Amino acid sequence: QSALTQPPSASGSPGQSVTISCTGTSSDVGGYNYVSWYQQHPGKAPKLIIYEVSQRPSGVPDRFFGSKSGNTASLTVSGLQAEDEADYYCNSYAGSNNFVVFGGGTKLTVL
Amino acid sequence: EVQLVQSGAEVKKPGEPLRISCKDSGDSLSSYWISWVRQMPGKGLEWMGRIDRGDSYINYSPSFQGHITISNDKSISTVFLQWSSLKASDTAMYYCARTRITAFRHNYFDPWGQGTLVTVSS
Repeated sequence: QSALTQPPSASGSPGQSVTISCTGTSSDVGGYNYVSWYQQHPGKAPKLIIYEVSQRPSGVPDRFFGSKSGNTASLTVSGLQAEDEADYYCNSYAGSNNFVVFGGGTKLTVL
Repeated sequence: EVQLVQSGAEVKKPGEPLRISCKDSGDSLSSYWISWVRQMPGKGLEWMGRIDRGDSYINYSPSFQGHITISNDKSISTVFLQWSSLKASDTAMYYCARTRITAFRHNYFDPWGQGTLVTVSS
């Protein structure tokens, strides 16, 4: 199955906001509200930061905000901090044949 | 707190079989799903498949169907990922992750295991 489309890189200065997009189709992102986002620091396992498009698990700062419009989901990180520098992956339910699909990942750099 | 603990790194030759494991330290009485996710060197995440810990029902990604086997031993709260004949292209980090299913649909992965690095080289 085709991966969801994310920009390979994004950047921002400390304190700024940055938005990462995740574009799919009506068969995945656009069809269901089961979009999740994961943060992965180098050499570490991914960590869930957003689920069901905009829900934050306990312990995730409210600087992380998820949204969706049509076939594109977005992750906005506000008040950028050095510790936010990581790879970010989106994920979506993709129907009963393909089940699950990931985005290609976005490397976020804090300048 | 649920923790998934994976088996250690493996170095294998092409053609050799391999089984890696993921032990769940959480509530072993609950029925839930565990997925396996591949991350090739310098690349992104790929969902491989999942197993229902309760009844061992399995779904495979079309991309991995026929190349891997996922299994479950409820008595030791452990899920396995195995290959009958490894290839060099199987070199990757493999993660297990508890998988939330809502209304029969995939929702999210949480938590994740620490990863198992598999290196296949002659």
